[in-house]
Parts: sequence; structure tokens; C-alpha cells
Amino acid sequence: AQSVAQPEDQVNVAEGNPLTVKCTYSVSGNPYLFWYVQYPNRGLQFLLKYITGDNLVKGSYGFEAEFNKSQTSFHLKKPSALVSDSALYFCAGLSGAGSYQLTFGKGTKLSVIP
Amino acid sequence: EAGVAQSPRYKIIEKRQSVAFWCNPISGHATLYWYQQILGQGPKLLIQFQNNGVVDDSQLPKDRFSAERLKGVDSTLKIQPAKLEDSAVYLCASSLLAGARTDTQYFGPGTRLTVL
Repeated sequence: AQSVAQPEDQVNVAEGNPLTVKCTYSVSGNPYLFWYVQYPNRGLQFLLKYITGDNLVKGSYGFEAEFNKSQTSFHLKKPSALVSDSALYFCAGLSGAGSYQLTFGKGTKLSVIP
Repeated sequence: EAGVAQSPRYKIIEKRQSVAFWCNPISGHATLYWYQQILGQGPKLLIQFQNNGVVDDSQLPKDRFSAERLKGVDSTLKIQPAKLEDSAVYLCASSLLAGARTDTQYFGPGTRLTVL
């Protein structure tokens, strides 16, 4: 079975600074990993996913994520944070070989301070 | 392209009452998912349909929850009777392909259920 963990409940970053939201995974087999963002009173919006190939995945709104097999991590990054990036971020992975079920982390609240 | 539509957006009911949620996936999407998101947690899959057939309902509390997908398009999720612990946001998602594990899931805005 696959699980994902988001070790930080909250991340604070100043506007214009780089941001990182952390995610680690455990999996038997190939990892398939996703990042979603959730704004208040709205559903989840897809940012990016890693299936195979390049370890650096580029996604929506200037976000990117780096897949690191040796550290079993899939951290979300952005070079310059905007106040509008403040939201709840979820890492997710497929639950095991053959499964279609996405398992989500508990989420990390990102606050970008003006 | 229109997104996933859900209604109602909010619902407040008393415990032991019944409630139903409706979802209209993105046009042409074969796979539809219902998730439950309890406050402070990530979403948890309740049931997955491919076209109008159930693929995975292993985490659906079948004694009180039921779901159907009419003609492989719209879907309804019903809770009867509701319990206090059912208070959550119910999210519907859809993905284009049937049988593609890594296909991106697109989420609707959700229905926030409060059980008193």
C-alpha cells in the first residue's frame, strides 16, 4: 500500500520569497504522486503529477515539484510566492499496485505574508 | 470547459434524517468518484464508478450510504440515516478515461453537510 505524509501543518513565507511544501511517500512499486490546492469553500484544484520521467515536474500557476527517489520525497516548490498562493495544499498518491484509490495527506496550510 | 457541478453546496440536517447529494461530472468523463473530507483531514474515497459500474466501494459505509450513477453520467450519493460523524464536505471528482489509474481527477466545489 502507498501512503503520503505532509510533515508540516502550516508553512509561513514572505511574499516574493521561495516556498516549499513538503511531502514524503512510502510505496511498494512505482510511485504515482499528485499535488492539489484547496481554496476556502472550493474544491481541490489539480496542480501537477509525477508518473514517470523527469524528476522535476512543472505544473499550474508557476508551481513545480521535485521527485526524489532516494529521499522518498515529492516537495512542492515555487520560486516567488504570491499572497494569492495562500491556501491548503494536499499531496496524494495512488494506494498500491493496481489501485485507483488516491490517498491524500492531511494537508499543509500555506500562508504568504505581504 | 465546464467543471464538475455539485448541489446543494450546503446542507444542514438532524441526525437520523436522510440526505442526498448530486454530481454532474465534466462532459465525456468516464470515471466518477465520491470523497468524504472531514475537517482537518485529506479527502477519503468513498466510491468510484467507471461509466455506470462500481469499481471500488470498499470504504463506503454500506449500512447507511448508497450511490448510483445514472446512465453513466450524473451521480447521487445518499445517506440514510445520517449520524453526527457524517458531518463533512462531500466532494465529487471525475476523470476522462476508464481504467487509467494515473488519469487526473478534477474536483467539484463540494457539499458541506452539517448533522445536528
